[in-house]
Amino acid sequence: DVQMTQSPSSLSASVGDRVTVTCRASQSVYNYLHWYQQKPGEAPKLLIYAASNLQSGVPSRFSGSASGTTFTLTIAGLQPEDGGLYHCQQTLHFPHSFGQGTKVEI
Amino acid sequence: EAQLVESGGALVQPGGSLRLSCVVSGFTFKSYWMTWVRQAPGKGLEWVAHIDRDGGRQTYVGSVKGRFTISRDNAKNSLYLQMNGLTVDDAGIYFCARVGNGTYWGIDHWGRGTPVSVSS
Repeated sequence: DVQMTQSPSSLSASVGDRVTVTCRASQSVYNYLHWYQQKPGEAPKLLIYAASNLQSGVPSRFSGSASGTTFTLTIAGLQPEDGGLYHCQQTLHFPHSFGQGTKVEI
Repeated sequence: EAQLVESGGALVQPGGSLRLSCVVSGFTFKSYWMTWVRQAPGKGLEWVAHIDRDGGRQTYVGSVKGRFTISRDNAKNSLYLQMNGLTVDDAGIYFCARVGNGTYWGIDHWGRGTPVSVSS
């Protein structure tokens, strides 16, 4: 199975900060990599699909990039409502594995 | 707007069975692959299974193969997960979700989840 490793496990940042979360795949997943945001007690929400495509309705301060098997989610100008758990997922290989999650505290 | 509503979660003893259901609305159900994802308490997400548009093709994570069965009824806009031989490791919130079209298999809509507890 493809292992997805997110870093950091948690971070604390202030409103207006630029925040980056990294996800590394144990093998190539091409651009079949997606990012989700999950707030406490809620279902996850798709932010970025195929490594760098912003899902409809998601604020443009969220962006995704890729370099080989390393993927990055960037929040440019952190907002109070951005706190939560962020997950990456690869969907090239079965099972469609997730990272362990990154908790973002404001 | 797409809506997915799960039900069927409960407290069950180890070795027991449960059938989860998910009723969807707001989109053409038969046009989408569907999936189940679970989340153990305080843990990350785990992809469990998915099913193609007409129900003919299913894929599972290794830990549930032979115990869980994903199915759908397009006439009833419903997705199911039959879970047999439950263990404590199967406990968590189970999310019904839609695989987006054109999202490289990214999941674009999720239900709020139904809780499954496994304990004697």
